[in-house]
Amino acid sequence: DGGITQSPKYLFRKEGQNVTLSCEQNLNHDAMYWYRQDPGQGLRLIYYSQIVNDFQKGDIAEGYSVSREKKESFPLTVTSAQKNPTAFYLCASSIGAGRDGQPQHFGDGTRLSIL
Amino acid sequence: GEDVEQSLFLSVREGDSSVINCTYTDSSSTYLYWYKQEPGAGLQLLTYIFSNMDMKQDQRLTVLLNKKDKHLSLRIADTQTGDSAIYFCAESIRSGGYNKLIFGAGTRLAVHP
Repeated sequence: DGGITQSPKYLFRKEGQNVTLSCEQNLNHDAMYWYRQDPGQGLRLIYYSQIVNDFQKGDIAEGYSVSREKKESFPLTVTSAQKNPTAFYLCASSIGAGRDGQPQHFGDGTRLSIL
Repeated sequence: GEDVEQSLFLSVREGDSSVINCTYTDSSSTYLYWYKQEPGAGLQLLTYIFSNMDMKQDQRLTVLLNKKDKHLSLRIADTQTGDSAIYFCAESIRSGGYNKLIFGAGTRLAVHP
């Protein structure tokens, strides 16, 4: 079945450590996104990518990095510079980021906690 | 400005209708979306409406859009316990060459017998 797979489901980070969250999609979508969700808040955009080898900062990119070497994959690294990384991270994709009426489809998320 | 607001909580009896409301500020919104999130899961797209439409119906779901007042609502008919979840409203606006989604904080729907 087509969809978006995020792994791992739960992740723990030690102080000073970088961790990478995986996001893979087999929907043949050009655009991919990373969001952060905190309790009682809406989703906030971290990074997005409209096409392979290109990505742009979202509203809260500080302390995060991404790469887009393959169309199917958009990993997110939470660096040690992100001082408050505990959150639920959601990956999404859409046919094209610049096309109207193309909804974003979401993975099941990764919950990141600090040890 | 970019802002989407929703009430945080709604409680309904099983079998009744639920109405979840949302207001947004950006009049240039092209599409408006409703997503459902169950505990520990991602967001599931429920339905969406183009900004020049007033209403869209999809089985038990009815979306009403009042563009003048920038008000969107989602009505769930015959609400079931399986409808208990958080519902997010989102507007799509053009930003930096792509269609950006602005999400509300979500409305937690509790369905009781």
